[in-house]
Amino acid sequence: GQNIDQPTEMTATEGAIVQINCTYQTSGFNGLFWYQQHAGEAPTFLSYNVLDGLEEKGRFSSFLSRSKGYSYLLLKELQMKDSASYLCAVRDSNYQLIWGAGTKLIIKP
Amino acid sequence: NAGVTQTPKFRVLKTGQSMTLLCAQDMNHEYMYWYRQDPGMGLRLIHYSVGEGTTAKGEVPDGYNVSRLKKQNFLLGLESAAPSQTSVYFCASSTLGEEGRQPQHFGDGTRLSIL
Repeated sequence: GQNIDQPTEMTATEGAIVQINCTYQTSGFNGLFWYQQHAGEAPTFLSYNVLDGLEEKGRFSSFLSRSKGYSYLLLKELQMKDSASYLCAVRDSNYQLIWGAGTKLIIKP
Repeated sequence: NAGVTQTPKFRVLKTGQSMTLLCAQDMNHEYMYWYRQDPGMGLRLIHYSVGEGTTAKGEVPDGYNVSRLKKQNFLLGLESAAPSQTSVYFCASSTLGEEGRQPQHFGDGTRLSIL
């Protein structure tokens, strides 16, 4: 079967750095996406990785290791508005997205 | 920019009733999707469409039907609502793109309760 694993919940302090991990087992791999979802709102696109390595976008970076079936999202200089759920999704061999259950990130002052 | 618009935003139904959820996108995207999101679970694909007049089943299609008569619209129907269909429903769209990196864009969701 296909599986995406992420921690259910994480807590971090405003101004700090947090790393959210995602491991996956899917039938084929055609890219990995990270989305942010605030409570009661729609998911919004954050980043995309298809090759191994780090992609940086301002305060957010995403890393991929295809051989390990592993990705992480790194958030720097945390702000209160970063309190949200972060969803990891893998595009499989049929070009369908398989979604993790999401990691709820709580930011404390 | 409207993006992806879903109607209604909220709805309460009784078991056995039927209804249609509407999704419209103004980005000229080829692909459209219907997902459901339940607590503690990832988004699950119900049905999707790769173009006008075409639809396909996703992971959890039972109890739902869809139609895509126009490129910009994707309708999700519940034939006979059941309490297990209580969920938040998201519509999304995407386009063909370089190396498949085009993300899906989501509507604000429809919160549906079946009593």
